[in-house]
Amino acid sequence: NSKVIQTPRYLVKGQGQKAKMRCIPEKGHPVVFWYQQNKNNEFKFLINFQNQEVLQQIDMTEKRFSAECPSNSPCSLEIQSSEAGDSALYLCASSLDQDTQYFGPGTRLLVL
Amino acid sequence: QQQVRQSSQSLTVWEGETAILNCSYENSAFDYFPWYQQFPGEGPALLIAIRSVSDKKEDGRFTIFFNKREKNLSLHIKDSQPGDSATYFCAASENYNQGKLIFGQGTKLSIKP
Repeated sequence: NSKVIQTPRYLVKGQGQKAKMRCIPEKGHPVVFWYQQNKNNEFKFLINFQNQEVLQQIDMTEKRFSAECPSNSPCSLEIQSSEAGDSALYLCASSLDQDTQYFGPGTRLLVL
Repeated sequence: QQQVRQSSQSLTVWEGETAILNCSYENSAFDYFPWYQQFPGEGPALLIAIRSVSDKKEDGRFTIFFNKREKNLSLHIKDSQPGDSATYFCAASENYNQGKLIFGQGTKLSIKP
């Protein structure tokens, strides 16, 4: 069973508002991933970290999305100005080795 | 372009039968293929995974059959139980691509008692 913790489980924001969600990876896992799963079950990779360093991120992430994984603090994903199309399940996964990824329960974002 | 494709959006089998879920992929550089199980309201749970150097991986009632030449794989669930009713995602990643997973669109499996 995954021990990845994500908070909050649900988030409701108005358009233009900031939305911030957090993730605590499994203990000892240095690699953290963020994915977006939309209502059609399509997954989109957003960004990943090894310890505090960004490994890879998509263009969308560079514009309105920001993420960090500070040492000794939860990782976070923040959307600076939420849009209706950002409504989705945001999934955090952690891994020892970049391959075997264990997902948390997700934060379900609804942008009104 | 769908890099990882699952052939069925939904599948129904009777309890006790073997459920077979199919997946195909485009990118020859994919070398790691996990299957995830997701229940409503939960995150995906890793079920079983295979690397491209193998053609079969078994774990209890779950078996992956992998065909590198044909670029396809299948997940077999033996002795299906009602508790196996969930959505199953096939995923793939490339070596040296920092683990980014590409997911199929999922197959919703229903087990009839």
